[in-house]
Amino acid sequence: GAGVSQSPSNKVTEKGKDVELRCDPISGHTALYWYRQSLGQGLEFLIYFQGNSAPDKSGLPSDRFSAERTGGSVSTLTIQRTQQEDSAVYLCASSSFGDRAGANVLTFGAGSRLTVL
Amino acid sequence: SQKIEQNSEALNIQEGKTATLTCNYTNYSPAYLQWYRQDPGRGPVFLLLIRENEKEKRKERLKVTFDTTLKQSLFHITASQPADSATYLCALGAGSYQLTFGKGTKLSVIP
Repeated sequence: GAGVSQSPSNKVTEKGKDVELRCDPISGHTALYWYRQSLGQGLEFLIYFQGNSAPDKSGLPSDRFSAERTGGSVSTLTIQRTQQEDSAVYLCASSSFGDRAGANVLTFGAGSRLTVL
Repeated sequence: SQKIEQNSEALNIQEGKTATLTCNYTNYSPAYLQWYRQDPGRGPVFLLLIRENEKEKRKERLKVTFDTTLKQSLFHITASQPADSATYLCALGAGSYQLTFGKGTKLSVIP
């Protein structure tokens, strides 16, 4: 597609429920990132996928968080047993895995705003 | 631990003036630095990239400097316009895939 698509744009859920957030990256981009942005905070790295390599999950805050990327394209971020502190905007970004000097420029989606009541 | 500081949470400036935003970092040796713009309800949008061996980069009314001795980048918007009002994020990369973002500075250009 022309850009990175994320759905849903807004999600309100009750504490303890599971949620799934979807990201459809730019076609041909091999790298995919998930970030979390809480009010007044910077972007917090969650997870990174690159091609068929094992993902870097080092940013996932707890084992309630997981993500997968099927067929090297669409990714789903799942949060189990949601807590109020999970409320944030979840941003997905994709990249063509850097230029010759290794610099990655990210294209972000509009984000999924999660509110846990 | 790595730390990135953007000089202020908010900056107000008169239309037509030059806006200068600061990004300082500690405990980090970035290979490159990027600036992004974020509007409310939207994801960040890439503006400029500058590498460690570059002193300055320009794009239209935008200028970025990178001083690895001072561990600082300055982001300038000349002849600022109300449409430049947004949050500006700096991000540092060290050659791997990870980018570490600052919290951002919210710029308001007053007509």
